[in-house]
Amino acid sequence: GIQVEQSPPDLILQEGANSTLRCNFSDSVNNLQWFHQNPWGQLINLFYIPSGTKQNGRLSATTVATERYSLLYISSSQTTDSGVYFCAVAETSGSRLTFGEGTQLTVNP
Amino acid sequence: SAVISQKPSRDICQRGTSLTIQCQVDSQVTMMFWYRQQPGQSLTLIATANQGSEATYESGFVIDKFPISRPNLTFSTLTVSNMSPEDSSIYLCAGEGVGEQYFGPGTRLTVT
Repeated sequence: GIQVEQSPPDLILQEGANSTLRCNFSDSVNNLQWFHQNPWGQLINLFYIPSGTKQNGRLSATTVATERYSLLYISSSQTTDSGVYFCAVAETSGSRLTFGEGTQLTVNP
Repeated sequence: SAVISQKPSRDICQRGTSLTIQCQVDSQVTMMFWYRQQPGQSLTLIATANQGSEATYESGFVIDKFPISRPNLTFSTLTVSNMSPEDSSIYLCAGEGVGEQYFGPGTRLTVT
């Protein structure tokens, strides 16, 4: 099956700093999503981005499907950004999502 | 976007017993899925819930352990059978509309 690798596994920032999270995948995809899992376990949809670039406030994402990677940018980080960020992909043959191992982000005041 | 609810939100169960988790979607979705998240780990797909027919299970998951029903487009149940402490996890339901999947709040299960 498809492999998904996220980096870095852990990231500690001071409030106000910017960061870039990376997701590499091993095959063609028809779905790529970024999620934020908050401390209560809820998965929050950030972006549905199988290709191209999107922005939502302080967050933006870019997927380069031909090179099999996606980037999530967080600018002016806030303590509420803390949590785990997951990248998940679905192969072109179906809808089943395969998740990466996640990036644990801690934003300190 | 779809709004997905699950119940119970959490439970503590004794080994050897079974628990049924319910998932309700507020709008019709084409696909429904069940995932498991073991402590400190990522999410793993258990199965795709098919309306009116048997679920499609991923490698490592079997129907006898995780029976799933989906009687209509907006409702599904997952049963965790004959539980052991290794089944302690968060179980999440997901629905897919036009490509994008949305997740319920999860059911946090502890087996003692």
